[in-house]
Amino acid sequence: DSGVTQTPKHLITATGQRVTLRCSPRSGDLSVYWYQQSLDQGLQFLIQYYNGEERAKGNILERFSAQQFPDLHSELNLSSLELGDSALYFCASSAGDVDTQYFGPGTRLTVL
Amino acid sequence: QKEVEQDPGPLSVPEGAIVSLNCTYSNSAFQYFMWYRQYSRKGPELLMYTYSSGNKEDGRFTAQVDKSSKYISLFIRDSQPSDSATYLCAMNPWGTGANNLFFGTGTRLTVIP
Repeated sequence: DSGVTQTPKHLITATGQRVTLRCSPRSGDLSVYWYQQSLDQGLQFLIQYYNGEERAKGNILERFSAQQFPDLHSELNLSSLELGDSALYFCASSAGDVDTQYFGPGTRLTVL
Repeated sequence: QKEVEQDPGPLSVPEGAIVSLNCTYSNSAFQYFMWYRQYSRKGPELLMYTYSSGNKEDGRFTAQVDKSSKYISLFIRDSQPSDSATYLCAMNPWGTGANNLFFGTGTRLTVIP
């Protein structure tokens, strides 16, 4: 158990809908990262927050947004969902912004 | 061309075999190299990380980096059925946990008892 928690474990929704994925980092970790894992693309970095502020952006679509709250948990919002958004979404956390990343168990999103 | 290439396998070996997993990369700015293990339906777990060219050993695992060839390897000695998982290489220019980890697509390994 990495200490990173993610909810929900599974999410099934329809195209055009909006969902929110939640992540709680390990105790004391200030950085949160979001990744998308699909069969054809592998693990793709989406975005990083450090102590509430956006630190880096990867291949995150404009339909996706994230934030990190004062208690350091983070949410990833996915809107106008498309079939191609079906994937595993992982959250990772690290103590600072240059430290080892620890991954959560992931949220499996299925868009029908 | 992807920045990190990894043979997806699958790779199937008998228990006790030596396993070699490999990745190549194109970005010469990459300085930090990691190997993650991912069991089915679980999140990736960091196995090893290294910065410099050469070998780093941890128990049955050895990570090897050749920056001149842009090639990294993970060797598993005396492989066990519990090693059956997908192995992901990852790298970035700044640090083990810094933003923008670039991952390979993963190699699925099965160790047969």
